[in-house]
Amino acid sequence: DGGITQSPKYLFRKEGQNVTLSCEQNLNHDAMYWYRQDPGQGLRLIYYSQIVNDFQKGDIAEGYSVSREKKESFPLTVTSAQKNPTAFYLCASSVQGAFEKLFFGSGTQLSVL
Amino acid sequence: AQSVSQHNHHVILSEAASLELGCNYSYGGTVNLFWYVQYPGQHLQLLLKYFSGDPLVKGIKGFEAEFIKSKFSFNLRKPSVQWSDTAEYFCATFDSWGKLQFGAGTQVVVTP
Repeated sequence: DGGITQSPKYLFRKEGQNVTLSCEQNLNHDAMYWYRQDPGQGLRLIYYSQIVNDFQKGDIAEGYSVSREKKESFPLTVTSAQKNPTAFYLCASSVQGAFEKLFFGSGTQLSVL
Repeated sequence: AQSVSQHNHHVILSEAASLELGCNYSYGGTVNLFWYVQYPGQHLQLLLKYFSGDPLVKGIKGFEAEFIKSKFSFNLRKPSVQWSDTAEYFCATFDSWGKLQFGAGTQVVVTP
């Protein structure tokens, strides 16, 4: 079955540590997105990529980094510069320009120890 | 649309009551509006979408939404809710740069 896989489901980070969240899709989608979900604030866009080897900052990119070396993979690194990383992170993908065909992963809950 | 906003953050209602959740959008070119639902512990699911045509859109699970251009609104409705409708609901739109923008979400709790 095609879909988006996010791992791990739960992740803990120590102070000053970088952590990487995985997002893999086998849907052959060009566009991929990372969102952060906080209670009462909805989903805010961190980074997005519309094609391999290209990505753009979203609304809250500070303290995060991404790469898009392969079409099916869009990992997100939460760096030590992100002072409030505890949140639920959602990855999504779509056929570029096909707004109705947006697929979401099951999410990763990141917590700081 | 460029962005969307939801003004009700929490709604509590009884089973069989009618539900209406507000969503306002800012105009910015092509209209594309979505309502997503996130049940506890589950993925985001698309309830319905609007691009053009009939402003009254029917979605899954008995939900509908009405696009009112003069009010810049795309409110979600359900005539009679069930306990299983307890979830968080998000209004969303793609802006002109291709970024999917979500509203803050409305947590809906349906009591038996």
